[in-house]
Amino acid sequence: QVTLRESGPALVKPTQTLTLTCSFSGFSLSSRPMCVSWIRQSPGRALEWLALIDWDGDKYYSTSLKSRLTISKDTSKNQVVLTLTNVAPMDTATYYCARFLWYQYTIDVWGKGTTVTVSS
Amino acid sequence: QSALTQPPSVSGSPGQSVTISCIGTSSDVGNYNGVSWYQQAPGTAPKLIIYEVTNRPSGVPDRFSGSRSGNTASLTISGLRAEDEADYYCSSFTSTSTSFVFGTGTKVTVL
Repeated sequence: QVTLRESGPALVKPTQTLTLTCSFSGFSLSSRPMCVSWIRQSPGRALEWLALIDWDGDKYYSTSLKSRLTISKDTSKNQVVLTLTNVAPMDTATYYCARFLWYQYTIDVWGKGTTVTVSS
Repeated sequence: QSALTQPPSVSGSPGQSVTISCIGTSSDVGNYNGVSWYQQAPGTAPKLIIYEVTNRPSGVPDRFSGSRSGNTASLTISGLRAEDEADYYCSSFTSTSTSFVFGTGTKVTVL
């Protein structure tokens, strides 16, 4: 059974760096075509794709947030980490990590999400 | 990358069919099979219901079907049921930045 769980701070101050961890089980991120992606959803808004890391360690980012995002993986720990620098209130959202299948180009399993509020 | 365009809302009575459109371009929906649809009930994470334009994951009722014509993908829900009331999102690979893009989302209301 594939599961993913997001963890990180619930509250972050403006200008700080947000670090989120995705802990997963049921698959190996070193095996093609497995990838892990991060997605966020601001209150009442649509889903927004953020970043993806594949089995080979290649990374892909949203063009609008690329300068602020970093995605990395620790295959031995079955974890993927996302950092977002210089956060602002508009970064308040529920952040999801999910398994992404490269060849089908689809997200087949989602975590439950973690809510992050940016406020002073 | 620009979001794919969906209607904000659609509605139908139980038993009816509704169709949600997802308008993209030749850089995404029109030329790649990586088109998916997700259902998101209030307060929950999205759930995959269609992948590769027309395929249903196991466990998804065959009332849900996907199609594509040109740069527009569509999701049809047949025999609408109360539990289908949710937000629906499309997604696609996009070659403009070799990445991924979601649609603007559609709220389905069962009257």
